[in-house]
Amino acid sequence: LAKTTQPISMDSYEGQEVNITCSHNNIATNDYITWYQQFPSQGPRFIIQGYKTKVTNEVASLFIPADRKSSTLSLPRVSLSDTAVYYCLVGDYGQNFVFGPGTRLSVLP
Amino acid sequence: GAGVSQSPRYKVAKRGQDVALRCDPISGHVSLFWYQQALGQGPEFLTYFQNEAQLDKSGLPSDRFFAERPEGSVSTLKIQRTQQEDSAVYLCASSSDRGPYEQYFGPGTRLTVT
Repeated sequence: LAKTTQPISMDSYEGQEVNITCSHNNIATNDYITWYQQFPSQGPRFIIQGYKTKVTNEVASLFIPADRKSSTLSLPRVSLSDTAVYYCLVGDYGQNFVFGPGTRLSVLP
Repeated sequence: GAGVSQSPRYKVAKRGQDVALRCDPISGHVSLFWYQQALGQGPEFLTYFQNEAQLDKSGLPSDRFFAERPEGSVSTLKIQRTQQEDSAVYLCASSSDRGPYEQYFGPGTRLTVT
């Protein structure tokens, strides 16, 4: 069961780039890395997923080094509406899909 | 298109009562998941269905918890003889294939046991 470690909280200002790093030292060969975003009173929302190197979509980028023991979610030019909890997950499903406490991002004006 | 819906959104139960929480997944989604989320914590896995088959129920905290998905679509999570520690948000998610990395979550049902 791959465990993840990420900062409990982060603060940023509008317009800045935010990078949230997640450590997963015992990631398995077939594990993917997935990030979710959750707003209060809502279910989590899928942001991005990757296996290695870099993945980019319209919302974020995900950087994964060659050893895959960590990953960094990059949010370009954050706005107030990006204030949320961000979860890093490693695994596939079931008991292997562990959310953890997440990173509480606060974007300030 | 419609997302995952859950009902009721809020449920207050007296300790000892039975409750049933409903999840309507996205049409055509094969996989369905239930999670329990305590205040300030991340969601915790409860159980997983692929079509009507319950493939993993290892996260159910006790035999008071029971989930079903008889026709491979709508699912119901039932909690018998509710206890105060059952108070939480219950989230349902669905995904379109067996590799469920991209799960679509419903808004959750907030259960309060008094």
